[in-house]
Amino acid sequence: QITLKESGPPLVKPTQTLTLTCSLSGFSLSASGVNVGWIRQPPGKALEFLALIYWDDDKRYSSALKNRLSITKDTSKNQVFLTMTDMDPVDTGTFYCAYNGPSGGSGWHYWGQGILVTVSS
Amino acid sequence: QSVVTQPPSVSGAPGQRVTISCTGSRSNIGAPFDVHWYQQLPGTAPKLLIYSNDRRPSGVPDRFSGSRSGTSASLAIAGLQGEDEADYYCQSYDSSLNAVVFGGGTKLTVL
Repeated sequence: QITLKESGPPLVKPTQTLTLTCSLSGFSLSASGVNVGWIRQPPGKALEFLALIYWDDDKRYSSALKNRLSITKDTSKNQVFLTMTDMDPVDTGTFYCAYNGPSGGSGWHYWGQGILVTVSS
Repeated sequence: QSVVTQPPSVSGAPGQRVTISCTGSRSNIGAPFDVHWYQQLPGTAPKLLIYSNDRRPSGVPDRFSGSRSGTSASLAIAGLQGEDEADYYCQSYDSSLNAVVFGGGTKLTVL
C-alpha cells in the first residue's frame, strides 16, 4: 500500500525557517521515474506548486519562491524534505506532498493528507 | 495569476453535462505538455481525476473525461451527481518557468 505523510511544526514565527518531512511507504525513492512534489494551499485559495524532486535528484522549483525553497531526499529513509526560509503570515496554508506513481509518468497519483502550517508571532 | 486559467465557477443540474476549460499557451499546454486534472472535495486532499490529458486512474467513473487541443484542455463531467460538487484543478508544466503549474481552480456547484 502506498502512503505519504507530511510532518512538521504546525506553528512557525515570522522570519523563521520551515522544514517539512514527507514520509513515504510502499515504494522506493530510488526507483526510476519516481518524483515527489510539494504543493501548498492557503486557506480558501488554489493549489500552488512549490518544488519537485526526481529519483535521479533532479529538482524543479516554483519560479516565484525558488530563492526561499530547498527540496532534498533521504533515499535510505524514504523521506523527502522541504525547507522554506523567511516565513511570513501569507505563507500560512496546508502543505501537501504527492507522488507520481509506479508507472513513473507525470501527474500525481498519490497525495498525503496535508499539514496545516500557521505563520504567526 | 496562474499561467493556465480556469473559470472560477461552473454549475449544472443533476444529470447534466458540464465542461471546465483550462487555457494555457505555447510554453505549457501547447508545447505540448500533458494536462492532469484533480478533484478536491471540501476539507480533503486533491485526488487525481484525469492524467496525461485523457486517461482515467482506476476507480474513476467514466462520467469523467479529459481532452487537450492546441493550448487548451477540458474536463467534462457527464451525468452530474451531487457528490461531484467540489473544486477542480488542471495542472501542466511550463517550459518558460521550468516548473509545474496549476490552474486557479474551478468550483463546481450542482444545482
